[in-house]
Amino acid sequence: DAKTTQPTSMDCAEGRAANLPCNHSTISGNEYVYWYRQIHSQGPQYIIHGLKNNETNEMASLIITEDRKSSTLILPHATLRDTAVYYCIVRVAVSNYQLIWGAGTKLIIKP
Amino acid sequence: GAGVSQSPSNKVTEKGKDVELRCDPISGHTALYWYRQSLGQGLEFLIYFQGNSAPDKSGLPSDRFSAERTGGSVSTLTIQRTQQEDSAVYLCASSFRIGDEQFFGPGTRLTVL
Repeated sequence: DAKTTQPTSMDCAEGRAANLPCNHSTISGNEYVYWYRQIHSQGPQYIIHGLKNNETNEMASLIITEDRKSSTLILPHATLRDTAVYYCIVRVAVSNYQLIWGAGTKLIIKP
Repeated sequence: GAGVSQSPSNKVTEKGKDVELRCDPISGHTALYWYRQSLGQGLEFLIYFQGNSAPDKSGLPSDRFSAERTGGSVSTLTIQRTQQEDSAVYLCASSFRIGDEQFFGPGTRLTVL
């Protein structure tokens, strides 16, 4: 799986959009971008994934650049409960069960 | 309670003792995964099960670690002769099929004194 690079930490004001970047410059054509988050003392939680098109669900939006070398997770209206570590992972769906985790981005939502 | 559950939530043991960690996956999920997370780090893959079989044990850090799954459901991760470096949070996840989104349990925090 391709390696990802994320900032160590970020702050965002409550009610604002939180934009979390991820670089995956060595991503292969068949590798998906997955985002998980981990709230303190809990197991990780799936957020969203995509291949090349932008995706949106009830939790977030995922914007993938045209060259697929980077992506941004957007939480449109951040709340205090969104404070967590956010992990960006690239993997080959179906055939690769392993999620290779980096250190993630610690997102702190401030009131 | 449709989520993945793990027990115990916390385990403190003495160096050299054996421990068993339990995972109850979501009903109907055929794939089950074990990960380990050290403080401030991302997750480290240990082993996965497809049904009751474990095709890939490459992530187990030593032969002191073993895991089994029975009835295609509950899984137990056993660590023999625990060492202080085994201290971590052990996370279990399950998915409907291999490659589907993984749903995680809350983890077991293991502390080896």
